[in-house]
Amino acid sequence: DIQMTQSPSSLSASVGDRVTITCRASQSISSYLNWYQQKPGKAPKLLIYAASSLQSGVPSRFSGSGSGTDFTLTISSLQPEDFATYYCQQSYSTPVTFGPGTKVDIK
Amino acid sequence: QLQLQESGPGLVKPSETLSLTCTVSGGSISSSSYYWGWIRQPPGKGLEWIGSIYYSGSTYYNPSLKSRVTISVDTSKNQFSLKLSSVTAADTAVYYCARPSMATSDAFDIWGQGTMVTVSS
Repeated sequence: DIQMTQSPSSLSASVGDRVTITCRASQSISSYLNWYQQKPGKAPKLLIYAASSLQSGVPSRFSGSGSGTDFTLTISSLQPEDFATYYCQQSYSTPVTFGPGTKVDIK
Repeated sequence: QLQLQESGPGLVKPSETLSLTCTVSGGSISSSSYYWGWIRQPPGKGLEWIGSIYYSGSTYYNPSLKSRVTISVDTSKNQFSLKLSSVTAADTAVYYCARPSMATSDAFDIWGQGTMVTVSS
């Protein structure tokens, strides 16, 4: 199985801050890396697919980059509705696997 | 607009079989472009893929659960189902059905709202 790690596990930030979350795969996954946002009591929501493609309807302040084993999710200017937990996921091979999550909360 | 809705018992006894159904509305489960999947999330923990099924019946399971999991599809009802046998407290989780799409590099682009299943006597 491909193991996914994320850093940091949590962070505190203020509205307007630039936030970067890192995801690393245990082996190369090309660009088969996806990012999700999950709010308490809700299903995850797809933000970024194929490492850098913005899902329809997702604000442009979200962006993704990377390939191979190292990836980043960037929120250019954090908004109040962005406080949530973020997960990366590889869809390169089965079993698909998720990172452990990064919780973004209010400083 | 495609929607997914999970249904099934919220409480299952240890050693019994957990059974859930996902109803697809606003589109056909028989579309050749999509698989249909199950994902779970224990309370306060991360996401675990359980398995996926194509409308033709081809399945892919997580090896960690494969011996206990069966996913099936009923195209006449536009539904797919999950059965997880010999459950223990470790199977207590929110269970989501979701659609991995080839258009989004197999990312899960549509999710059900999730259903909480507790394993307890």
